[in-house]
Amino acid sequence: SQTIHQWPATLVQPVGSPLSLECTVEGTSNPNLYWYRQAAGRGLQLLFYSVGIGQISSEVPQNLSASRPQDRQFILSSKKLLLSDSGFYLCAWSVAGDPYEQYFGPGTRLTVT
Amino acid sequence: GQQVMQIPQYQHVQEGEDFTTYCNSSTTLSNIQWYKQRPGGHPVFLIQLVKSGEVKKQKRLTFQFGEAKKNSSLHITATQTTDVGTYFCAGRRGGTALIFGKGTTLSVSS
Repeated sequence: SQTIHQWPATLVQPVGSPLSLECTVEGTSNPNLYWYRQAAGRGLQLLFYSVGIGQISSEVPQNLSASRPQDRQFILSSKKLLLSDSGFYLCAWSVAGDPYEQYFGPGTRLTVT
Repeated sequence: GQQVMQIPQYQHVQEGEDFTTYCNSSTTLSNIQWYKQRPGGHPVFLIQLVKSGEVKKQKRLTFQFGEAKKNSSLHITATQTTDVGTYFCAGRRGGTALIFGKGTTLSVSS
């Protein structure tokens, strides 16, 4: 069966510090991968998605970036965090080709202080 | 850009009452999905609707997709405390990305 992992579960970082969140998927090949951010009491904002290694589509221009160095690994990064980067970051995957439902990871709760 | 609006933002009901959340898109959708997020958890897929006018049921939950494929609704009959959470609709434009609504947070008192 397929599983999706995210770490860390919680993170407190000072303004201006770098960020690296990692997401890995097991039990499937060539998945579509997604990064979302959910601010407190808000909906899900799609940040990036990827349909293959090295292929990244950005939905919202900001100080975040994403990379997909391996088929089932998706990384969200920032060189300098802003207070507004605080939120709940969710990684998700879906079947490639004809994306149906998305399966979400447990999320990382980031607080920028 | 394309938006998916969801109302109400919050809804409180007594256990046993019905609940409905509505989803509206500014453009025609190829399909619509519904997700549930329990407090402190992550979104979990509930269902996908594809056809114009489609109605699907899951036990006490009824999902509808509008004739114009621009709106959708989720209706819960006789709510239970286990229904607590935030319900999101998500519309797919032609492609990979989903556009999520802001969600409706349901609270249920017994």
